[in-house]
Amino acid sequence: EAAVTQSPRNKVAVTGGKVTLSCNQTNNHNNMYWYRQDTGHGLRLIHYSYGAGSTEKGDIPDGYKASRPSQENFSLILELATPSQTSVYFCASGDAGSNTEVFFGKGTRLTVV
Amino acid sequence: GDSVTQTEGPVTLSEGTSLTVNCSYETKQYPTLFWYVQYPGEGPQLLFKVPKANEKGSNRGFEATYNKEATSFHLQKASVQESDSAVYYCAQNYGSSGNKLIFGIGTLLSVKP
Repeated sequence: EAAVTQSPRNKVAVTGGKVTLSCNQTNNHNNMYWYRQDTGHGLRLIHYSYGAGSTEKGDIPDGYKASRPSQENFSLILELATPSQTSVYFCASGDAGSNTEVFFGKGTRLTVV
Repeated sequence: GDSVTQTEGPVTLSEGTSLTVNCSYETKQYPTLFWYVQYPGEGPQLLFKVPKANEKGSNRGFEATYNKEATSFHLQKASVQESDSAVYYCAQNYGSSGNKLIFGIGTLLSVKP
């Protein structure tokens, strides 16, 4: 069974602080994604990766960086967290190919105070 | 640009009644269309996908037909159950390689016994 694990599951951060959200997948998928989920906006793509060492900007990348050090791991980094980044963040993985399903983790609830 | 519009929730139904969640999409491409479902505390998971126009997808009693002329992909179920209570997302793939998903805002369905 596909497995995408996110850590931490909950995080409270202070404004201006650095936050790192981690994601690990055991599916051996090439593609990984970071989305944020907000009421009234659904899921929006922040960054994605096609493989180790690569990261690409999604639709809302401002204020976020990403890192893909290996096939299995994909991190989302908030260098200077702001209250507007309070949200639920989802990591996902998927095979290369245009019709393929993506598999989501359980999400990380981030609150920036 | 590419976009997905769906019924705004919340939608509250009684068990045994029928469900329709409207979804329309906008694109210059020929996308694959998806319905994802998200249960409380979980990440979204694929309900079904339809890669070709004029074809129908189905799973767990839910179904939707890819209508290219109307650019629609409405989700239907003849008789909902309490266990169907969840958030439903319509999505399409996009981008030069078709590896990214754009989601609608999600529709919260609550089914009362």
